[in-house]
Amino acid sequence: DAKTTQPPSMDCAEGRAANLPCNHSTISGNEYVYWYRQIHSQGPQYIIHGLKNNETNEMASLIITEDRKSSTLILPHATLRDTAVYYCIVRVLSYNQGGKLIFGQGTELSVKP
Amino acid sequence: DAGVIQSPRHEVTEMGQEVTLRCKPISGHNSLFWYRQTMMRGLELLIYFNNNVPIDDSGMPEDRFSAKMPNASFSTLKIQPSEPRDSAVYFCASSLRAAGELFFGEGSRLTVL
Repeated sequence: DAKTTQPPSMDCAEGRAANLPCNHSTISGNEYVYWYRQIHSQGPQYIIHGLKNNETNEMASLIITEDRKSSTLILPHATLRDTAVYYCIVRVLSYNQGGKLIFGQGTELSVKP
Repeated sequence: DAGVIQSPRHEVTEMGQEVTLRCKPISGHNSLFWYRQTMMRGLELLIYFNNNVPIDDSGMPEDRFSAKMPNASFSTLKIQPSEPRDSAVYFCASSLRAAGELFFGEGSRLTVL
């Protein structure tokens, strides 16, 4: 599986957009980009995933560059409850057997009042 | 609907004792994952099952660890004998299909003295 590189920490002001970058320069054509987050002491929570098109859901937007070597997770209006560790993961999927979801070190996002 | 249910939530045991962690996946989900989290190593994938069959157990640290999934609604992770370095939070996760998003339980915090 391709490895990802994320900044270890970031700050964001409450109400502003939080833009979390991720580099995955060795990503293969059949690997998806997934984002999860982990709020202190809880299990990780799925946010969004994509292959090559930009994706948006009720939680966030995912922007993947055209060459797929990097992506950005956007939380449009960060709140204090968005303070968490955010993980960017690339994952090979096999429809019948799924695929490993391997977590890196992630980015610790602190949303400040 | 109930999420992924793990038990016990906390376990304190002495070195050499057998430890059994339990997981009930979300009803209807057919993939199940076991993870371990420590400060030093982060979130590590230990093993995952698809339709009750182990697909990849390459993350299981050594023979002291074993995992079973006797049916679609129950899985166990056993450590025998336990050692202090096994102290960690163990998470179980399930997904509706092999390639779907993972839903995590609240974790089992294990302390081996």
